[in-house]
Amino acid sequence: GAVVSQHPSWVICKSGTSVKIECRSLDFQATTMFWYRQFPKQSLMLMATSNEGSKATYEQGVEKDKFLINHASLTLSTLTVTSAHPEDSSFYICSADTQREQYFGPGTRLTVT
Amino acid sequence: QKEVEQDPGPLSVPEGAIVSLNCTYSNSAFQYFMWYRQYSRKGPELLMYTYSSGNKEDGRFTAQVDKSSKYISLFIRDSQPSDSATYLCAMTNTGGFKTIFGAGTRLFVKA
Repeated sequence: GAVVSQHPSWVICKSGTSVKIECRSLDFQATTMFWYRQFPKQSLMLMATSNEGSKATYEQGVEKDKFLINHASLTLSTLTVTSAHPEDSSFYICSADTQREQYFGPGTRLTVT
Repeated sequence: QKEVEQDPGPLSVPEGAIVSLNCTYSNSAFQYFMWYRQYSRKGPELLMYTYSSGNKEDGRFTAQVDKSSKYISLFIRDSQPSDSATYLCAMTNTGGFKTIFGAGTRLFVKA
């Protein structure tokens, strides 16, 4: 099946710093990638839809200046959490779309101290 | 009212039991239905993918869709401790890419 990777898998950063998370589709090209965040024991919440070569579409309530998304190629999308705060601590998951199926990355656990 | 309702559980069953997981939805535009399995601290993995009403079987897993009732189910036969995970239902409409997820049901299969 299709494989999506994320890097890093776990990151700890200090409040006020920025963190970049990479999402790669390893064996297929994805024109659309999605970014989710997940709090403990809660479902995935879509943050934004990322289309290759164009600006990301953010869900209501998600600050686009705080969560910068870049979809530079058909196999790579990045999420940068700028000026991170402890409330940004969460599990961030990307997925890549292939027809009507989504394949998820393994997730990145962000802890902001 | 949420677009997708799923009982978060937890659901605890003995090994070998038949497990039934369910979701209801309110938007009749949903046409594609998925079940994902998510182990702790991992990303979800696609288990089953169905389109239209009816049953789809894959090994020990059977996905069932009843569009008239807006109700979908996932059955797990001969459940194993390795099936212990959170199961998320998800659905997509025909017009767009946005997928709506249920809250996920935590399943524990006891040896």
